[in-house]
Amino acid sequence: RKEVEQDPGPFNVPEGATVAFNCTYSNSASQSFFWYRQDCRKEPKLLMSVYSSGNEDGRFTAQLNRASQYISLLIRDSKLSDSATYLCVVWGGTNAGKSTFGDGTTLTVKP
Amino acid sequence: NAGVTQTPKFRVLKTGQSMTLLCAQDMNHEYMYWYRQDPGMGLRLIHYSVGEGTTAKGEVPDGYNVSRLKKQNFLLGLESAAPSQTSVYFCASSYPSATGGFENSPLHFGNGTRLTVT
Repeated sequence: RKEVEQDPGPFNVPEGATVAFNCTYSNSASQSFFWYRQDCRKEPKLLMSVYSSGNEDGRFTAQLNRASQYISLLIRDSKLSDSATYLCVVWGGTNAGKSTFGDGTTLTVKP
Repeated sequence: NAGVTQTPKFRVLKTGQSMTLLCAQDMNHEYMYWYRQDPGMGLRLIHYSVGEGTTAKGEVPDGYNVSRLKKQNFLLGLESAAPSQTSVYFCASSYPSATGGFENSPLHFGNGTRLTVT
């Protein structure tokens, strides 16, 4: 079993749709969680950190469920420009090496 | 402010050749990392450094060496390239939080180096 697993995708949705991605992690000691966005053949860029109480940034909402060991990303009112691969990243603690990326979920928003 | 800069952007090597990838950051970050990304997969950590003069192995270190002689630079070396090392390589940097950990300390990535080994 992978340490970090994401919904396999791909997700194909129409503009304006609401879409949600989940990411599960196996290390219960994990401390920090992030969602990154990666456009085709480009470097990953931070979308948002995920806080224990949940957090929102415009159309994006991130949630953390420590009991069930998963994080989620909700995108409301999808735009064409949201088409990308979304990577879940889990940090295991203060050791710089304990970072694990999910394989990513591909989203395509269609007109 | 350039952020994280990787050179070269593209390279084609023949099996057995060697090369060095350079990563430079101007954000005074303590931590630097080298990842590789293969098609349809997430990023896998090759080596990392928590400060000048220190390096450590990541998830897939075999066939690679690194050096961090200066805080702003992190070099990745391939001594004898193999076709299995064909990949996109990303360098990243980050800073420790006030408590010394990684809470809310995101990675800043370079643009990547696309390496093909024939």
